[in-house]
Amino acid sequence: ETGVTQTPRHLVMGMTNKKSLKCEQHLGHNAMYWYKQSAKKPLELMFVYNFKEQTENNSVPSRFSPECPNSSHLFLHLHTLQPEDSALYLCASSQEYSGVYEQYFGPGTRLTVT
Amino acid sequence: QKEVEQNSGPLSVPEGAIASLNCTYSDRGSQSFFWYRQYSGKSPELIMSIYSNGDKEDGRFTAQLNKASQYVSLLIRDSQPSDSATYLCAIGGGTSYGKLTFGQGTILTVHP
Repeated sequence: ETGVTQTPRHLVMGMTNKKSLKCEQHLGHNAMYWYKQSAKKPLELMFVYNFKEQTENNSVPSRFSPECPNSSHLFLHLHTLQPEDSALYLCASSQEYSGVYEQYFGPGTRLTVT
Repeated sequence: QKEVEQNSGPLSVPEGAIASLNCTYSDRGSQSFFWYRQYSGKSPELIMSIYSNGDKEDGRFTAQLNKASQYVSLLIRDSQPSDSATYLCAIGGGTSYGKLTFGQGTILTVHP
């Protein structure tokens, strides 16, 4: 679990707030991911960064804005969220973005939008 | 047809028994196959990866892959109450290239 860290672990925000989620990986990987996990739904891939370049945006609403300043850090900026955005947000990393490398997850941020 | 489908569960087995978790996938070009374990309120933890046909064993866990049948399974021998969790099947490569596609998960309960 310490290979990929996420902060904060819990977040409650109003619909008009702006907040950011942070992810850091200590595994020397080059690809980082944001996933959303809602109750009773499969994991949904949101964004992928490979060597700091965004390679996938899975039709995510613009109220979610990712940032990847380097291969070890990943942010998810949140603004004007909706109650249906309440979920567990998971960061993961892998050696490269190729589908054959193992992805390791952080502990997640439990987000509640009120 | 769903891209990755797992047996719906929940699956309940007695302590000491073999738990069998199954996963089928639709993309014949898939190259990598993973099993994750997720405890309630926690994040997914990688427990097995398999890339070629056949069996791969790691302790009490055995992953089985049959690409011709587009089927991957996870066997847990000598099941323990601590194995009670949701097990996620994830498939990578093929037409999805770098994307891992996850199944909906199977809830396993091991009762004493």
